[in-house]
Amino acid sequence: EPEVTQTPSHQVTQMGQEVILRCVPISNHLYFYWYRQILGQKVEFLVSFYNNEISEKSEIFDDQFSVERPDGSNFTLKIRSTKLEDSAMYFCASSERGATDTQYFGPGTRLTVL
Amino acid sequence: AQSVTQLGSHVSVSEGALVLLRCNYSSSVPPYLFWYVQYPNQGLQLLLKYTSAATLVKGINGFEAEFKKSETSFHLTKPSAHMSDAAEYFCAVSDQAGFQKLVFGTGTRLLVSP
Repeated sequence: EPEVTQTPSHQVTQMGQEVILRCVPISNHLYFYWYRQILGQKVEFLVSFYNNEISEKSEIFDDQFSVERPDGSNFTLKIRSTKLEDSAMYFCASSERGATDTQYFGPGTRLTVL
Repeated sequence: AQSVTQLGSHVSVSEGALVLLRCNYSSSVPPYLFWYVQYPNQGLQLLLKYTSAATLVKGINGFEAEFKKSETSFHLTKPSAHMSDAAEYFCAVSDQAGFQKLVFGTGTRLLVSP
């Protein structure tokens, strides 16, 4: 069964450093998403991406964040200058169609900012 | 704005007992509703979804949920719990207006004892 994959599984970085989280969505999916889950809190939407552009973003997704689909398979989330409060589990998801189609989630990348 | 409320951060049942996890939603437009399960150190897996067809929705692993508009509820049930059902369960909502993000509840951890 096709699945969403994410690398790395765990990333440790120093405050102020840039990090790139990588995702490989399911191959025939057209819509891509990033969510995050701070320890002990709910899963929160960050951004959705379709046709090589952001289609929706939350207030969390400020200028420190960016997303990119650099080639036909990868989808990345970049945090330019990490803060302590960026420590969280970051989930990538993809769906074949948008709106209410099922979103398939990857296993997540745990980001720890020291 | 859409939201979901999950009553009970922890629910404990005995193996073989009924599982009932509660979810109430708030939405200004007809919602699409989802239940996801998260096993330890894994991503989110879709259990079932309601997309305005049948109000009783059957999902994987013997789970089902009933959409009750009058009660704004979408509770998850399973007649007989298995040890393997121990996990975190998330209710989520999106709307039919084309917005793509999922709004998650805070999650309910299901504990199953022998």
